[in-house]
Amino acid sequence: AQSVTQLDSHVSVSEGTPVLLRCNYSSSYSPSLFWYVQHPNKGLQLLLKYTSAATLVKGINGFEAEFKKSETSFHLTKPSAHMSDAAEYFCVVRPGGGGGADGLTFGKGTHLIIQP
Amino acid sequence: ETGVTQTPRHLVMGMTNKKSLKCEQHLGHNAMYWYKQSAKKPLELMFVYNFKEQTENNSVPSRFSPECPNSSHLFLHLHTLQPEDSALYLCASSQEQGSPYGYTFGSGTRLTVV
Repeated sequence: AQSVTQLDSHVSVSEGTPVLLRCNYSSSYSPSLFWYVQHPNKGLQLLLKYTSAATLVKGINGFEAEFKKSETSFHLTKPSAHMSDAAEYFCVVRPGGGGGADGLTFGKGTHLIIQP
Repeated sequence: ETGVTQTPRHLVMGMTNKKSLKCEQHLGHNAMYWYKQSAKKPLELMFVYNFKEQTENNSVPSRFSPECPNSSHLFLHLHTLQPEDSALYLCASSQEQGSPYGYTFGSGTRLTVV
């Protein structure tokens, strides 16, 4: 069975400073990993995905994430936070063997707060 | 817009009402999903349709009834709901069920049961 742990329920950073949102996963097979963002009262938007190609994945809006198999981590980073980055972020894992009803396991989310 | 359109955006209904949520995608995807997002809880998968066939009902109460007339449209029929059913209902689609390339989500319907 797979699981996802988002280590921080809330992260607060100042505008212009780096962002780090942490995610650890467990999966029996080589997984696919995703980060989604959800702005208030909106649906989930795919930020980036890892599907067994390059371990450093670049996404939209300047975000990137690095797949580290040895650490079972897929942390999301951005060099410089912008006010528009304030949102809820979800780490999602899909095991390589598929598994489960739809194969996806969602983390509980990290609320990113940007201080002016 | 993501390519997955949900209507209505907001819905307030009484416990004795009957209403329907609609989801539409023209991405050529073959799998569609209903998720429930409640405050302080992870997303909960409700139903999965793959090529118009329901492949999963994740122990959802019968007061929620899905319908998938074709690969582009998905409905969620609601009747005699409870206040605890108030939540954001999200529709998603993917190329096929469990696609490793991610899902496309709609903006959701914010449901309030009074």
